[in-house]
Amino acid sequence: GQNIDQPTEMTATEGAIVQINCTYQTSGFNGLFWYQQHAGEAPTFLSYNVLDGLEEKGRFSSFLSRSKGYSYLLLKELQMKDSASYLCAVMDSNYQLIWGAGTKLIIKP
Amino acid sequence: GAVVSQHPSWVICKSGTSVKIECRSLDFQATTMFWYRQFPKQSLMLMATSNEGSKATYEQGVEKDKFLINHASLTLSTLTVTSAHPEDSSFYICSVRAGDTEAFFGQGTRLTVV
Repeated sequence: GQNIDQPTEMTATEGAIVQINCTYQTSGFNGLFWYQQHAGEAPTFLSYNVLDGLEEKGRFSSFLSRSKGYSYLLLKELQMKDSASYLCAVMDSNYQLIWGAGTKLIIKP
Repeated sequence: GAVVSQHPSWVICKSGTSVKIECRSLDFQATTMFWYRQFPKQSLMLMATSNEGSKATYEQGVEKDKFLINHASLTLSTLTVTSAHPEDSSFYICSVRAGDTEAFFGQGTRLTVV
């Protein structure tokens, strides 16, 4: 079966750095996505990785290792507004998105 | 990116009634739209893939007669929850995919059935 695993909840301090991990087992691979979702709102796109390596976009970076079935989202200089759920999703061989359950990130002052 | 408008943002209805949710792609012609459902603290669950001009493709376990999908134009797809029950209360989200790289989501509809 297809499976996406990410931690349920993480806590970090304002101004610090946090890494959210995602491991996956899917039927084929056509890219991995990270989305941010604030409570009661729709997800918003953060990043897309299809090749191994690190993609940096401002305070957010995303890393992919296809051989390990592993990705992480790195958030630097955390701000209170970064408190949200972060969803990892993999596009399988049928170009269908398989979603993780999301990681709730709590930022403390 | 594509702009997707979903309406209404929230709705409360009585058990047994039907509710229609609209999803509009404002600046992108979407031959395919996706409908998701999300229960509290759970992941997005794909309900169906809406195809313009043809029947929707439903995921296993989703009742097509209960969740009616109509995709009559390249910019509008509707989801009608028929004979709604309290267990249908959820967050419903539509999305449009532009190429293979990104999905653009509507604002979501919070449905509460009382």
